[in-house]
Amino acid sequence: EVQLVQSGAEVKKPGESLKISCKGSGYSFTSYWIGWVRQMPGKGLEWMGIIHPGDSNTRYSPSFQGQVTISADKSISTAYLQWSSLKASDTAMFYCARRTGATQPSFDYWGQGTLVTVSS
Amino acid sequence: EIVLTQSPGTLSLSPGERATLSCRASQSVSSSYLAWYRQKPGQAPRLLIYDASSRATGIPDRFSGSGSGTDFTLTISRLEPEDFAVYYCQQYGSSPEYTFGQGTKLEIK
Repeated sequence: EVQLVQSGAEVKKPGESLKISCKGSGYSFTSYWIGWVRQMPGKGLEWMGIIHPGDSNTRYSPSFQGQVTISADKSISTAYLQWSSLKASDTAMFYCARRTGATQPSFDYWGQGTLVTVSS
Repeated sequence: EIVLTQSPGTLSLSPGERATLSCRASQSVSSSYLAWYRQKPGQAPRLLIYDASSRATGIPDRFSGSGSGTDFTLTISRLEPEDFAVYYCQQYGSSPEYTFGQGTKLEIK
């Protein structure tokens, strides 16, 4: 069974750093792209970026380039999303999702989400 | 950037009725790159339709997708209680690679 399991909720202060994770299982982790999607409170879905764990090829949405870093450790089948200095406006739910295939760009499996709250 | 505009913003229907949701793109989208998702409250999105008209694994046949170019439609033939949720369309293109529509909320009338 394909699963993406994300790390738990985080409460941070502005200026702090954070790294959240997404662990894949039940499939060949290095063969599928993993994307990250932000959902701010009461709002819609925003694509942040995507990584291929096999070779760490990474692409970012222009809206998030330079604001976050996406990485992966294929040895433990885990992708990461990190911030070096959080802002209150980073408060949101973050989802990881598996891209369906090389020629099919939809996202077929999603993590349960990680809620990040940034407040002083 | 391709902008996806979904309509209506909110759709009020009763169980058993037919729902028609629209997704309009600001530029032509390849049908292979148009997907629909359902997000129930407190849950992650779930893929319903890919390639504009192909149902994802485990999705019942009351869900159907159609359209091409700039106009796409998700139809739910007979609404079940679990269908009352928010629906998003998504396209894959270039810079940014992915964009989502703003969502349509399907609520019980």
